[in-house]
Amino acid sequence: EPEVTQTPSHQVTQMGQEVILRCVPISNHLYFYWYRQILGQKVEFLVSFYNNEISEKSEIFDDQFSVERPDGSNFTLKIRSTKLEDSAMYFCASKERTSGGLLLYNEQFFGPGTRLTVL
Amino acid sequence: QKEVEQDPGPLSVPEGAIVSLNCTYSNSAFQYFMWYRQYSRKGPELLMYTYSSGNKEDGRFTAQVDKSSKYISLFIRDSQPSDSATYLCATLTNNDMRFGAGTRLTVKP
Repeated sequence: EPEVTQTPSHQVTQMGQEVILRCVPISNHLYFYWYRQILGQKVEFLVSFYNNEISEKSEIFDDQFSVERPDGSNFTLKIRSTKLEDSAMYFCASKERTSGGLLLYNEQFFGPGTRLTVL
Repeated sequence: QKEVEQDPGPLSVPEGAIVSLNCTYSNSAFQYFMWYRQYSRKGPELLMYTYSSGNKEDGRFTAQVDKSSKYISLFIRDSQPSDSATYLCATLTNNDMRFGAGTRLTVKP
């Protein structure tokens, strides 16, 4: 069964360093997402990406964040200068197409997450 | 006002109990209402979804949406220890999904 994969599973970095979190979405999917979950808190939407551009982003997704689909398979989240408060689980998700009505719900499939620890 | 509110629990029940999980939401534009299950150190996985108001049943699970009161419910019948997980409600409009805080459920044998 196809699945979303993420690497690394755990990333430890020093404050101020740049990190790149990598995701391989399901191959025929067109919509890509990043979410984060700070320990003990809710899953929060960061950004959605479609047709090689950001379609929506939350207030969390500031200038320190960027996303890229550098080739046909990878989808990356870059944090330019990490802060302590960036420590969280980061989940990538992908979806085949947009939803529309009762019969056209399209599920977002989540990866297992990357645990980012900023020291 | 938070867009999706959910009591984080924790909730502990004996095996076989009926579990009721609930969320409220604020934005009437939300169209899809989902329940995700998240096991420890895993990503959320979709359990059920409903579109607009009404009930949906899948085995031991029933999802309910009342758009008039902006209330979302998940019922689990004959709960099993394997149901122990965090249950996240979520709402969706266009491409924008919003999650509740998640309720941690433990079903004790």
